[in-house]
Amino acid sequence: DAKTTQPPSMDCAEGRAANLPCNHSTISGNEYVYWYRQIHSQGPQYIIHGLKNNETNEMASLIITEDRKSSTLILPHATLRDTAVYYCIVKLIFGQGTTLQVKP
Amino acid sequence: DTGVSQDPRHKITKRGQNVTFRCDPISEHNRLYWYRQTLGQGPEFLTYFQNEAQLEKSRLLSDRFSAERPKGSFSTLEIQRTEQGDSAMYLCASSQLAPEQFFGPGTRLTVL
Repeated sequence: DAKTTQPPSMDCAEGRAANLPCNHSTISGNEYVYWYRQIHSQGPQYIIHGLKNNETNEMASLIITEDRKSSTLILPHATLRDTAVYYCIVKLIFGQGTTLQVKP
Repeated sequence: DTGVSQDPRHKITKRGQNVTFRCDPISEHNRLYWYRQTLGQGPEFLTYFQNEAQLEKSRLLSDRFSAERPKGSFSTLEIQRTEQGDSAMYLCASSQLAPEQFFGPGTRLTVL
């Protein structure tokens, strides 16, 4: 099964960029990478997804390496409301996620 | 509110009892997913419907678990003969053809 690996926690200063890495070395050629986040006691919220090319939307940017074995989610200007658990997902398999703490 | 709704939000039951949860997806979303989430872990995929057809089931979905989506609208997840290990948050999500899934608030099950 496809599997993702993320650091368990990260800190980021408010207003700075948050860069969240994810390893997915067993990803297949036609499988997308998805990112969701979960704020305490709520259901996960979709952020962005990609296949090969870098993607950007109003919430974040997604950088995928050329070999597709890893990716980075970038929140360009983190706010306190971005404090959450961020999940990198391949083939409906969530990892344990990265708890991002945005500090004032 | 036109989001995904789940009922009940909380359920406490005794070991050995049967429980049933309901999920109402966003109107016209043809895909519906069930996940289970335990404390400190990410959601684990259980099963997936496209319209009324159950297209995929996880190995996590033991014989005690059954899910239905009879008319391609709402879905139910039933757990028979509950065990303490079934205690978790059960999440439902729906989507259209787009890959973005919209999650409901979940049903928290506690098995005593």
